[in-house]
Amino acid sequence: DTGVSQDPRHKITKRGQNVTFRCDPISEHNRLYWYRQTLGQGPEFLTYFQNEAQLEKSRLLSDRFSAERPKGSFSTLEIQRTEQGDSAMYLCASSLVKDQPQHFGDGTRLSIL
Amino acid sequence: QKEVEQDPGPLSVPEGAIVSLNCTYSNSAFQYFMWYRQYSRKGPELLMYTYSSGNKEDGRFTAQVDKSSKYISLFIRDSQPSDSATYLCVVNDSTLTFGKGTMLLVS
Repeated sequence: DTGVSQDPRHKITKRGQNVTFRCDPISEHNRLYWYRQTLGQGPEFLTYFQNEAQLEKSRLLSDRFSAERPKGSFSTLEIQRTEQGDSAMYLCASSLVKDQPQHFGDGTRLSIL
Repeated sequence: QKEVEQDPGPLSVPEGAIVSLNCTYSNSAFQYFMWYRQYSRKGPELLMYTYSSGNKEDGRFTAQVDKSSKYISLFIRDSQPSDSATYLCVVNDSTLTFGKGTMLLVS
């Protein structure tokens, strides 16, 4: 069990650029979640996958955001045409099944110039 | 009304003190309750996971859930400087709903 791994740890980009983050969950964890955390706030749910199926999306996930989990293993989160308000920590978590504890990675910190 | 309310702190205590962290939630349907600890620039780390009302103890940590009052507590005995972190109160429906977190400083 190597834990949830996220890459990159920090991404700095100019407004209007596209960015993609990767998450590798704990092996054999069927569920994978994405959250966003801004300074002084708790993480907020964005979306989650059961294997390769994306089952729920938050209203926070605008149409500039897209997430995939091909083959039910790693996941990517892409943000197109980044805006200042996208600056945040993007956290990935995984769990074995529904209602089991979620284990988090250390996040990708996105800074928009 | 936010679904999970926590006092953001900071809460400063001397080393060795007993710490009490609390939060309230709004939806009586929640069944799973958690406390996560988050150090600066790190992801949240699961501390305690409880189902329904009652107490759960793990080492120096005790979690308490009172569903009748929708009140969740975390007690830390013999607090250490390494306990300095933000403590997040969390409820689990189909996804996790976090409070804002309480910053704890032990010195």
